[in-house]
Amino acid sequence: GAGVSQSPRYKVAKRGQDVALRCDPISGHVSLFWYQQALGQGPEFLTYFQNEAQLDKSGLPSDRFFAERPEGSVSTLKIQRTQQEDSAVYLCASRRGSSGNTIYFGEGSWLTVV
Amino acid sequence: GQQVMQIPQYQHVQEGEDFTTYCNSSTTLSNIQWYKQRPGGHPVFLIQLVKSGEVKKQKRLTFQFGEAKKNSSLHITATQTTDVGTYFCAWGSQGNLIFGKGTKLSVKP
Repeated sequence: GAGVSQSPRYKVAKRGQDVALRCDPISGHVSLFWYQQALGQGPEFLTYFQNEAQLDKSGLPSDRFFAERPEGSVSTLKIQRTQQEDSAVYLCASRRGSSGNTIYFGEGSWLTVV
Repeated sequence: GQQVMQIPQYQHVQEGEDFTTYCNSSTTLSNIQWYKQRPGGHPVFLIQLVKSGEVKKQKRLTFQFGEAKKNSSLHITATQTTDVGTYFCAWGSQGNLIFGKGTKLSVKP
């Protein structure tokens, strides 16, 4: 596609509910990133894929967070048993190569946990 | 670990005034990128700097990478209301990309 596409754009979840956020990167992009951005803060790194391999998941805040990219294209970020502190914008980004190039962000998935 | 500070956190200017934001690292950076995020939007790539002492210009924006590759700056000349947003520096680390905390710019017309 023309850009990075994320869905849903907005999600309201009840505390304890599981959510799944989808990212469609730019076609052919090797690298895919997930970031969490709380209100008024910078994007905080969550995890990074190169093709289907999850090379870095050091930013995932707890074992309730899980990300996958099984075929090296679409990625899903899953949050289990959501808590209020999970409320944030979840940004997906992709990059053509494995390093050094520009990364392109999607519009984000705005998650509110009530 | 690598420590990169971005300052100032906020900057309020009158339209027409200049604006500068800085990123300072405790260690040498292989490269640095700058992004702009408009209110309610997502970060958008502005530029990447790789070489020591590099200076790049985009219209009213001037980007610099220090000689020691430990600091970088973004300078906007004669700000306009369209410059409003948060400016982030970001640096690469083993394929990853880490963002600074950003400088939020507001411009009073």
